Amino acid sequence: EAGVTQFPSHSVIEKGQTVTLRCDPISGHDNLYWYRRVMGKEIKFLLHFVKESKQDESGMPNNRFLAERTGGTYSTLKVQPAELEDSGVYFCASSQAGNTEAFFGQGTRLTVV
Amino acid sequence: DQQVKQNSPSLSVQEGRISILNCDYTNSMFDYFLWYKKYPAEGPTFLISISSIKDKNEDGRFTVFLNKSAKHLSLHIVPSQPGDSAVYFCAASGGFAGNMLTFGGGTRLMVKP
Repeated sequence: EAGVTQFPSHSVIEKGQTVTLRCDPISGHDNLYWYRRVMGKEIKFLLHFVKESKQDESGMPNNRFLAERTGGTYSTLKVQPAELEDSGVYFCASSQAGNTEAFFGQGTRLTVV
Repeated sequence: DQQVKQNSPSLSVQEGRISILNCDYTNSMFDYFLWYKKYPAEGPTFLISISSIKDKNEDGRFTVFLNKSAKHLSLHIVPSQPGDSAVYFCAASGGFAGNMLTFGGGTRLMVKP
């Protein structure tokens, strides 16, 4: 069974540009989460989808971040326009309905210069 | 304010001995706790979990202990192996199954051969 996959693994963009991160969860997992780790600190929650609906987006930093989950399958996280403080590793995770144990992807390392 | 804290940023242990990683939390609403292991350039990997209705959960060499009155949990690894060298994150969740995870800052474990 394929795990959670994220694309790209690395992205370097200039301040003011747009970047879109993609996450493919484990097939059949209703829950999909985005997390971010900045400067080697703790991993922080961004938002949670249940199928195609946003269950909780309380962790989204500001309106420059937009997440979507098309048809309850893969998800994208767009940052527009990117700022220097957006640099970090963005993790996607998924879990089965009714389960808290989430499986994580390898992450996308975003560097804004 | 950090609701989940891992006060030891690093721990060094001899192969074959016990590794004890500690975690404290402040939010009384947390009722499910997890440990994740993370290797460089990879996403966190789920290791073991415990519900607040238990005080101990064991899986092979890994045991998690929960002290609700002290709001403290610990992960014991016995015996420690060099392959256990990684960053270990404590995480907590509450409210409903599948809710977001709140992570601690991580503890880097080094197991020396």
